[in-house]
Amino acid sequence: DVVMTQSPLSLPVTLGQPASISCRSSQSLVHSDGNTYLNWFQQRPGQSPRRLIYKVSNRDSGVPDRFSGSGSGTDFTLKISRVEAEDVGVYYCMQGTRSVTFGQGTKLEIK
Amino acid sequence: QITLKESGPTLVKPTQTLTLTCTFSGFSLSTSGVGVGWIRQPPGKALEWLALIYWNDDKRYSPSLKSRLTITKDTSKNQVVLTMTNMDPVDTATYYCAHVMYLDAFDIWGQGTMVTVSS
Repeated sequence: DVVMTQSPLSLPVTLGQPASISCRSSQSLVHSDGNTYLNWFQQRPGQSPRRLIYKVSNRDSGVPDRFSGSGSGTDFTLKISRVEAEDVGVYYCMQGTRSVTFGQGTKLEIK
Repeated sequence: QITLKESGPTLVKPTQTLTLTCTFSGFSLSTSGVGVGWIRQPPGKALEWLALIYWNDDKRYSPSLKSRLTITKDTSKNQVVLTMTNMDPVDTATYYCAHVMYLDAFDIWGQGTMVTVSS
C-alpha cells in the first residue's frame, strides 16, 4: 500500500500570510500513462470534502488562484499565497496512481 | 451539473450488514472512464477510501476492508450500492460517495450519510 504522510498536522496561520502543506508518498506516484495522480482536498467544518487540485498542480473550477500545487515523484506541496478566514479547515492529499490513499489531514486554523 | 446523494440506515447493530446507496445525476455510469467511489470518515478522523466501481464494471477495494465490501452498480437507476458486512462500532462514520473520471478521482462529493454502529 502507498502511505501518504502530511506535515504539519496542525497549521496556525495569520490572516494574509502564506501557508504550505507537505505531502510525501512511500512510492513514486508517476503512473504508467505518464501522469501523476496526486490530488488535494479541503474540508471546511461541517462540510463534505472539496477537491482543490488534481494531477499535482491543476486547480479545479472555482478554486481561487491563491491555492497552488507543486511537486513530483514522492514529494508534493500545497501552498496558499495569502490565507483568508474561509480557508479554515482540514486539508488532505490523496494519491490515485496505485489504488487510492489519503493523507492524515492538516488542520489549518487562524492564529 | 453533477450531484450525488447517499442514503441508508443511520443505525446498525454490531455484526449486521450495512447497505448504502449512492443516487446520482448529471452523468452516466455507461460513459467510458466514469466511476463512483465510496469514502468514509469516522468522527474527528481522516478520510478513508473504501471502494470504486467503473463504467465497465471494474471494481477496486481497499485492501484492508476488501473481505467485507461489495460494490455494485445499476446503470438504469443511476445508483451505486455498497455493502459492508460484519459491522463493528469502529465502523461508525460518515460515508460519502463521489464521482470519478478515470483516475481523476473525487471531483464531486455527496453530502454524506452518518452511520452509527451500536447495540
